[in-house]
Amino acid sequence: GAVVSQHPSWVICKSGTSVKIECRSLDFQATTMFWYRQFPKQSLMLMATSNEGSKATYEQGVEKDKFLINHASLTLSTLTVTSAHPEDSSFYICSARDGGNTGELFFGEGSRLTVL
Amino acid sequence: KQEVTQIPAALSVPEGENLVLNCSFTDSAIYNLQWFRQDPGKGLTSLLLIQSSQREQTSGRLNASLDKSSGRSTLYIAASQPGDSATYLCAESKAAGNKLTFGGGTRVLVKP
Repeated sequence: GAVVSQHPSWVICKSGTSVKIECRSLDFQATTMFWYRQFPKQSLMLMATSNEGSKATYEQGVEKDKFLINHASLTLSTLTVTSAHPEDSSFYICSARDGGNTGELFFGEGSRLTVL
Repeated sequence: KQEVTQIPAALSVPEGENLVLNCSFTDSAIYNLQWFRQDPGKGLTSLLLIQSSQREQTSGRLNASLDKSSGRSTLYIAASQPGDSATYLCAESKAAGNKLTFGGGTRVLVKP
């Protein structure tokens, strides 16, 4: 099946710093990628939809200036958490559509962010 | 607004028993429904995807059914094994490649 790679898989940073998370589709082109956030023992909540070459669409309640999303190519989308605070500590997961007609989405392994 | 619910939130069974995981959704106008597995601290592994025109999908010991009229999908795992212990999530999509709305998940523990 299609492979989506996320990097880094975990990161610890100091409060006030910015952290960038990469999401790559390794064997297919993804015009659309999605970024989700998952708190412990909770389900995934969609943060934003990332479209190649255009601005991301953010879900209600997600601060676009805090969570910067860039989708500059068909295989790479990045999420930057700016001025991170402890409440931003979470598991961030990206997914990409395989471009076929089934609409199946493939997910990265996730990135665990811990803000001290 | 679509709501996806999974009951029970947690399930514990002895090895060898069949597992039945339930997923319900409030809006029957779905494009597809997907079942995922998530191990602790890991990403999602896609298990089965059912298109809205389909009634079920099977892969090995896994079988997923879809009843749009009643807003339900069921994941069956036959002859459970300790390695099946994980959280199982269902999610629906309104269109091809569209965002997924996830249920809260069912945490499964298969005891040896």
